[in-house]
Amino acid sequence: GAVVSQHPSRVICKSGTSVKIECRSLDFQATTMFWYRQFPKQSLMLMATSNEGSKATYEQGVEKDKFLINHASLTLSTLTVTSAHPEDSSFYICSARDPRGTGELFFGEGSRLTVL
Amino acid sequence: GDSVTQMEGPVTLSEEAFLTINCTYTATGYPSLFWYVQYPGEGLQLLLKATKADDKGSNKGFEATYRKETTSFHLEKGSVQVSDSAVYFCALSRRGGSNYKLTFGKGTLLTVNP
Repeated sequence: GAVVSQHPSRVICKSGTSVKIECRSLDFQATTMFWYRQFPKQSLMLMATSNEGSKATYEQGVEKDKFLINHASLTLSTLTVTSAHPEDSSFYICSARDPRGTGELFFGEGSRLTVL
Repeated sequence: GDSVTQMEGPVTLSEEAFLTINCTYTATGYPSLFWYVQYPGEGLQLLLKATKADDKGSNKGFEATYRKETTSFHLEKGSVQVSDSAVYFCALSRRGGSNYKLTFGKGTLLTVNP
């Protein structure tokens, strides 16, 4: 099946710095990717929809200037957490839609961000 | 709007016990229904799915039947193993325009003890 890969799987950074997380579709082209955030013991919260070649669509309450999304190619989307703070510490997961049109999502392994 | 309500955990069972995790949904039209599993430290993986009423999804001994009359998609397994310990998410996918939107439940943590 289709594979989505995220990197890095874990990252620790100092408060005030920026962190970039990559999401790649390995064996298919993804014009749309989704970024989710998961707090401990809670469900996934859709942050934004990343669209290749155009601006991302952010969900209500998500700061677009803080969570910069770039989808420069059909196989890569990046999420940059700018000026990170401890409250940004979370598990970030990307996903891409099944190219066969089933409605299923393929998820990356997730990236755990810890901001000190 | 669409919503998914699933049984709150955590659920703790002994090995070989019977598992049921309840899931009900609210959506217009005919959504597809999914169960995703998240093992510790990993991303989500699709466990099983059903795309129309009365369909039964099954995988790794887990089953769920799409019941439109009760708007439910309960997850069951006859005999759980320690390796089944994970968080289970019920989700629905509904087509809105040209896009599919996936809505998740809050997840249920399952711990299976030897």
